Amino acid sequence: KNEVEQSPQNLTAQEGEFITINCSYSVGISALHWLQQHPGGGIVSLFMLSSGKKKHGRLIATINIQEKHSSLHITASHPRDSAVYICAVRGGATNKLIFGTGTLLAVQP
Amino acid sequence: DAGITQSPRHKVTETGTPVTLRCHQTENHRYMYWYRQDPGHGLRLIHYSYGVKDTDKGEVSDGYSVSRSKTEDFLLTLESATSSQTSVYFCAISDSGGHQPQHFGDGTRLSIL
Repeated sequence: KNEVEQSPQNLTAQEGEFITINCSYSVGISALHWLQQHPGGGIVSLFMLSSGKKKHGRLIATINIQEKHSSLHITASHPRDSAVYICAVRGGATNKLIFGTGTLLAVQP
Repeated sequence: DAGITQSPRHKVTETGTPVTLRCHQTENHRYMYWYRQDPGHGLRLIHYSYGVKDTDKGEVSDGYSVSRSKTEDFLLTLESATSSQTSVYFCAISDSGGHQPQHFGDGTRLSIL
């Protein structure tokens, strides 16, 4: 079992929908990251959080340390949000980043 | 956009040949990382650097070596490429430690035939 699990693996939404991507982890962590990878490969860091909630534009990231769970929400989704969203946690035995395999989001107009 | 450039962006080579990938940054960040990305796996750390001439292994370092002779350049070398090293390679940089990369390069797609 992977130490970082994301769900769903694939998600198709209609423009304007509210989107939630989930990340569960099984190790103790000091921080959790959400990253975005666009077609063509570039990776952008969206959030780093260790507690509570962060918001940037239409993106909201939350984390529940007790439940070892984080969610990434996208409000009023747009086709330009289509990308792979990657969750990564800093922790485990090595205290390095452990990456999930990503959630492929397609937002249709 | 952060100044981080990977070269080449694409490369096809044969098994047994040496390959060097370059990561160049203009941000003067202390920490640099090499990851590989494969289907069904999350990004995995190959090697990282915490300063000039200071490097250490990641979780998938076998078959790879690195060098950092200048702050701005971090080289990843496959001494004798194998087909299992076909992958997309990403460089990342950070100005703070703790394996929290802040900026990623655009990736190098490497195919070994």
